[in-house]
Amino acid sequence: DAGITQSPRHKVTETGTPVTLRCHQTENHRYMYWYRQDPGHGLRLIHYSYGVKDTDKGEVSDGYSVSRSKTEDFLLTLESATSSQTSVYFCAISIAYEQYFGPGTRLTVT
Amino acid sequence: ELKVEQNPLFLSMQEGKNYTIYCNYSTTSDRLYWYRQDPGKSLESLFVLLSNGAVKQEGRLMASLDTKARLSTLHITAAVHDLSATYFCAVDAPSGTYKYIFGTGTRLKVLA
Repeated sequence: DAGITQSPRHKVTETGTPVTLRCHQTENHRYMYWYRQDPGHGLRLIHYSYGVKDTDKGEVSDGYSVSRSKTEDFLLTLESATSSQTSVYFCAISIAYEQYFGPGTRLTVT
Repeated sequence: ELKVEQNPLFLSMQEGKNYTIYCNYSTTSDRLYWYRQDPGKSLESLFVLLSNGAVKQEGRLMASLDTKARLSTLHITAAVHDLSATYFCAVDAPSGTYKYIFGTGTRLKVLA
């Protein structure tokens, strides 16, 4: 158990509202990731972080921003949610090449 | 652009049968990863293959890596119902950063 939690686990929100998802790890692992999972697309990287205040974009970063002010927390923000952002969001950490995933957040944008 | 392709995308097989899932990727990568996902659950790491020719086995699953062919296989021996899940492969992105590119997954259903 890599000690990764995500909150909230489920959320329904309306188009145009801001949404923040939180990923928390209990150990001081450097690398953290946000993915989205959609049918037919597998997992796609949104953003990742390689240290406090150090982040970079993934392949589907448009419409998303991230922040990492503490090693243990990695926040994903949808500034103005759209229906195309309805998805399951997974946070992950990387330990010696291997990735460990959080339980996921199911987000529905109506 | 790095692409990771898995085939088949869906696989329905009888218990006791053998089968192989294939993972092809489009650019050089020395490391490949296999994950399992049960319905409604998160992903669980199965294998980490770190070099050409690497082979790893766990129970009825065996994974191998051929970096020259840019191909990994996940072989299932004498399938049982508990192996029903979606299997993903992933590779390192070529930029040298700690980024990963995932395949679209193979949904396996083992019929009793």
